[in-house]
Amino acid sequence: DTGVSQDPRHKITKRGQNVTFRCDPISEHNRLYWYRQTLGQGPEFLTYFQNEAQLEKSRLLSDRFSAERPKGSFSTLEIQRTEQGDSAMYLCASSWQGAAEAFFGQGTRLTVV
Amino acid sequence: RKEVEQDPGPFNVPEGATVAFNCTYSNSASQSFFWYRQDCRKEPKLLMSVYSSGNEDGRFTAQLNRASQYISLLIRDSKLSDSATYLCVVNTDKLIFGTGTRLQVFP
Repeated sequence: DTGVSQDPRHKITKRGQNVTFRCDPISEHNRLYWYRQTLGQGPEFLTYFQNEAQLEKSRLLSDRFSAERPKGSFSTLEIQRTEQGDSAMYLCASSWQGAAEAFFGQGTRLTVV
Repeated sequence: RKEVEQDPGPFNVPEGATVAFNCTYSNSASQSFFWYRQDCRKEPKLLMSVYSSGNEDGRFTAQLNRASQYISLLIRDSKLSDSATYLCVVNTDKLIFGTGTRLQVFP
C-alpha cells in the first residue's frame, strides 16, 4: 500500500497522559500536513512541513502540541498532558509541492477519558 | 470570520435532482482550490480541482470567481451514492478546509 498511513488508528488515554501519533506520507511527497477534526466540522489545520522544515503551526494550537518530521519522511504529533477537549480525529495528509492536491491517511481517533 | 465558509446543510434531495453548493474564502492570495468529499467516518478524498475557467467531471461542475472569492459545486442527476459531506478547500500555501456541506440523497 503506497498511500498515507497513520498509527495507531485508535487511542484511548487518561487525562493528563502524553500521546504520540505517527504518519508515513506517500514517499515522494515533500509536504506533510496535520489536521484535527471533530464531529460536524471540517478538518482544522494544525501544522505543516516542507521536507523536514516546519513552516507553520496554528495559533490555535497550545504548547502541549508538538510535531516533528526529522528526516523529511515520517512525522510524529505529540500531545502532552492530554485534556478531554483533545478528543478528536487527527488526520495526516501529504502532497507533492504546495499547490497540489493532498492525500489523507485514515486518521487516528483519540479519546481522552 | 472563518477563512473558508460553507453552508453546513444538510441538503436533502431526491435522486435525479440538481444541487449546488457554495463556498466563500477570505484570503485573496489563495493559490488553488479544490472540492473534497468525505464519507461518514472516513478520510477526505479529492473530488475535483477548481479552475478559473470552470471545469466539469461527469455530473460534477466546479466554478471559481476570484473577484468575488466564491467557489461553487454543481451536482446533476444526484445518485444515492453522492450522499456525503462536501468540503471546500482553499490553498494559501497550506490547505484550509471549510466546515463542509452535508448532502443526503433519498430514493
